[in-house]
Amino acid sequence: SQQGEEDPQALSIQEGENATMNCSYKTSINNLQWYRQNSGRGLVHLILIRSNEREKHSGRLRVTLDTSKKSSSLLITASRAADTASYFCATDGGAGSYQLTFGKGTKLSVIP
Amino acid sequence: ETGVTQTPRHLVMGMTNKKSLKCEQHLGHNAMYWYKQSAKKPLELMFVYNFKEQTENNSVPSRFSPECPNSSHLFLHLHTLQPEDSALYLCASSQVAGGYEQYFGPGTRLTVT
Repeated sequence: SQQGEEDPQALSIQEGENATMNCSYKTSINNLQWYRQNSGRGLVHLILIRSNEREKHSGRLRVTLDTSKKSSSLLITASRAADTASYFCATDGGAGSYQLTFGKGTKLSVIP
Repeated sequence: ETGVTQTPRHLVMGMTNKKSLKCEQHLGHNAMYWYKQSAKKPLELMFVYNFKEQTENNSVPSRFSPECPNSSHLFLHLHTLQPEDSALYLCASSQVAGGYEQYFGPGTRLTVT
C-alpha cells in the first residue's frame, strides 16, 4: 500500500521564490526522507528526519515533521532553475521494515 | 553519481529475448535494491538484498529474476517480458536494508517491443 503522498503533484514558480511541498503518510515511521530526481535519472538523497525530530535544515532546504498529523513538508528557499526536478518523500515501515516506500512525487519547475 | 553504476543505460528488447541488467556499487554497502519506475506511478520496490540474502520480493512476476553474487553486484535477469514492463529500472544501495538513506544509480531505460 502506498505510504507517502506528496502534494501538490506539480508546482511552477519563479526563480528566487520559495517552494513548499508536502507529504502525508499512513503508518508509524522511524524516519522520513526526501529525494530529488532530475528527469529520467536516478534519485538523489536530500535529507533524512527522524521521528523524534521536528525540523531539520540543510543549506537552502528545510524539512519539518509532524508525527501527530503524519505529515512532512520540504521548503526550498530562494529557488534556482537548477532546482527543477521531481521531489519524493520516502518512509520506512517502522521497526523491522527492510524497505522504503516512495510517494508519486511533486514535479517542481523553476522558471528563470 | 559514480557510487552506483548501472549497465546498460538503454535497452530495447523483444518479448522473446533474454537480457540482463547489471548494477555495481562502490560504497561498501551491504544492501541493494531493484526498483521499477513507470510513468504516472510511484516508484515500485521489486527486490531487496541484505548481506546477499533476498529479504523482499514484492510480488514480482517470475519473468524478472534477481541475482546477487556479492554485496557489490546485483543483476536483474529478464525473459519473455511484456510491453507493460517498459520502464526505468533503478538500482540502489544502502548501508544495510531498512530505513537508511539510499544511493541510486542512473537507471536503465527499458523498452519492450
